Amino acid sequence: DVQMTQSPYNLAASPGESVSINCKASKSISKYLAWYQQKPGKANKLLIYDGSTLQSGIPSRFSGSGSGTDFTLTIRSLEPEDFGLYYCQQHNEYPFTFGSGTKLEIK
Amino acid sequence: EVQLVESGGGLVQPGRSLKLSCAASGFTFSNYYMAWVRQAPKKGLEWVATISTSGSRTYYPDSVKGRFTISRDNAKSSLYLQMNSLKSEDTATYYCARQLGYFDYWGQGVMVTVSS
Repeated sequence: DVQMTQSPYNLAASPGESVSINCKASKSISKYLAWYQQKPGKANKLLIYDGSTLQSGIPSRFSGSGSGTDFTLTIRSLEPEDFGLYYCQQHNEYPFTFGSGTKLEIK
Repeated sequence: EVQLVESGGGLVQPGRSLKLSCAASGFTFSNYYMAWVRQAPKKGLEWVATISTSGSRTYYPDSVKGRFTISRDNAKSSLYLQMNSLKSEDTATYYCARQLGYFDYWGQGVMVTVSS
């Protein structure tokens, strides 16, 4: 199984700042990585797929980069609604596996 | 608008069975792979099962293989998860999701608690 190591575990930032979340796969997954946002009371939201493709309706301040084993989610100019939990997921092979999550909090 | 609504959760004793349902609307259900993903309390996401468009192919991680069965009824735009021999570690919120490799739409989830 592909192990996904996500960092940092916690992240505190202020509105307007930029942040990055990293995800490392235990073996190459080509470009096949997705990023999700999770907030209480709301359905999980797909942000990025195939490493860098922005899902329809997601603001352009979200961007993804990387390939092979190392990937990054960057959020520029944080908005108050961006705070929550973020997960990466490899969709290259079964079993699909997720990172352990990053909690983005307001500083 | 794509909607996925799960039902069937609840409290069940270890070793017993439970069947979850997911009602889909807003898209042509029969054209998409579908999946279940779960999240134990205060834990991360774990993929649980996937089914092909026709239902002829199913996929599971080792943690549930042989105990859980995913199925679908395309005429009713419904997805199911039959869970047998439940264990305490199956306690989680179970999400229904539309799958394109990644999961582009998710339901709000249904809670399953396995406890005596």
